[in-house]
Amino acid sequence: SQTIHQWPATLVQPVGSPLSLECTVEGTSNPNLYWYRQAAGRGLQLLFYSVGIGQISSEVPQNLSASRPQDRQFILSSKKLLLSDSGFYLCAWRDRAGGLWEQFFGPGTRLTVL
Amino acid sequence: DQQVKQNSPSLSVQEGRISILNCDYTNSMFDYFLWYKKYPAEGPTFLISISSIKDKNEDGRFTVFLNKSAKHLSLHIVPSQPGDSAVYFCAATFNNNDMRFGAGTRLTVKP
Repeated sequence: SQTIHQWPATLVQPVGSPLSLECTVEGTSNPNLYWYRQAAGRGLQLLFYSVGIGQISSEVPQNLSASRPQDRQFILSSKKLLLSDSGFYLCAWRDRAGGLWEQFFGPGTRLTVL
Repeated sequence: DQQVKQNSPSLSVQEGRISILNCDYTNSMFDYFLWYKKYPAEGPTFLISISSIKDKNEDGRFTVFLNKSAKHLSLHIVPSQPGDSAVYFCAATFNNNDMRFGAGTRLTVKP
């Protein structure tokens, strides 16, 4: 069966500090991978998605970046965090080859920027 | 650009009654719709979906209805149970890559 891991679960960072959130998927190959953010009282905002190694598409301009160094690894980064970067970050995957439309989410990372 | 809208931020129903969660979309290209359920501090979990070629899909207590002409879908939960209390997200997609989510509706089922 497939599983998705995210870490850390919670993170408190000062403004201006760097960020690195990691997501890995097990039990599948060549998945689509996604980063979402849920800000307080708001829905899920798609930040990045990737259809393969080294392939990143960005949905919104921001000071965040994403990378996919391996097939089942997706990393969300920032060089300098802003207060507005606080939120709940979710990684998700989709089995594109299996023809399924559903995305499956990880447990999330709660980021607080102070 | 909010292509998927859930205009009710919250809904409260009595246990055993029907819960109806609504969702509207603006992009006529969407051809697959999904509902997700989310508990606090957890990732959303997939609940039920419907293709644009159908107008109804049922799975146990959960039924999703799609009205393409009105660009509207709804999730019916009957009977509602306290364990159904969560935030429900409507989502839509039209290609293989991305999905658009609504802002969510917080459902509270009172015992």
